[in-house]
Amino acid sequence: NAGVTQTPKFQVLKTGQSMTLQCAQDMNHEYMSWYRQDPGMGLRLIHYSVGAGITDQGEVPNGYNVSRSTTEDFPLRLLSAAPSQTSVYFCASSYGNLAGETQYFGPGTRLLVL
Amino acid sequence: DAKTTQPNSMESNEEEPVHLPCNHSTISGTDYIHWYRQLPSQGPEYVIHGLTSNVNNRMASLAIAEDRKSSTLILHRATLRDAAVYYCILSHPHTGNQFYFGTGTSLTVIP
Repeated sequence: NAGVTQTPKFQVLKTGQSMTLQCAQDMNHEYMSWYRQDPGMGLRLIHYSVGAGITDQGEVPNGYNVSRSTTEDFPLRLLSAAPSQTSVYFCASSYGNLAGETQYFGPGTRLLVL
Repeated sequence: DAKTTQPNSMESNEEEPVHLPCNHSTISGTDYIHWYRQLPSQGPEYVIHGLTSNVNNRMASLAIAEDRKSSTLILHRATLRDAAVYYCILSHPHTGNQFYFGTGTSLTVIP
């Protein structure tokens, strides 16, 4: 199993540009989520999904859109990038959304918005 | 949501045991205690989790206080590869895997 994969690894955007961060998992996990991590900080939850066709907002959802059309993929869209969205983005997945589930994280995408 | 408190940083000598503390005084009876670690430039990885009883796995041990208001992650023999930021996280049945990450404890292992 490849686990959780994220592309691209690094991206530079100009203010106002749009892009999609890709996340895929091959473990047949129902639960997937996106976090962002700013320098010296812990991760903060952006959006999450408990299954195909179901998404919900996390702690910091503004400026980001998500959709979940398949179990495997959970893309994160930035519609109009802002410098405040410069961060490292991590995708995670788990079998379910129960409190005792183990989450598996991807390697991250580093985004720089100029 | 119940939050956790951890020291910002700790140091340990290589091959010695490390005890990483976590306070969670507002924990509810159904909150799980999770520990994840983040190696430099990598995503977080699972270390261990528990509910009420102490837990052991190949990576570490988790000691949970009887009143559950604190817990300790124990690395039995620190190696240089254990240098990372360690996060103590609570998860509740109502919020499931919507983790709240604090700033964690940055562990330095001294050769």
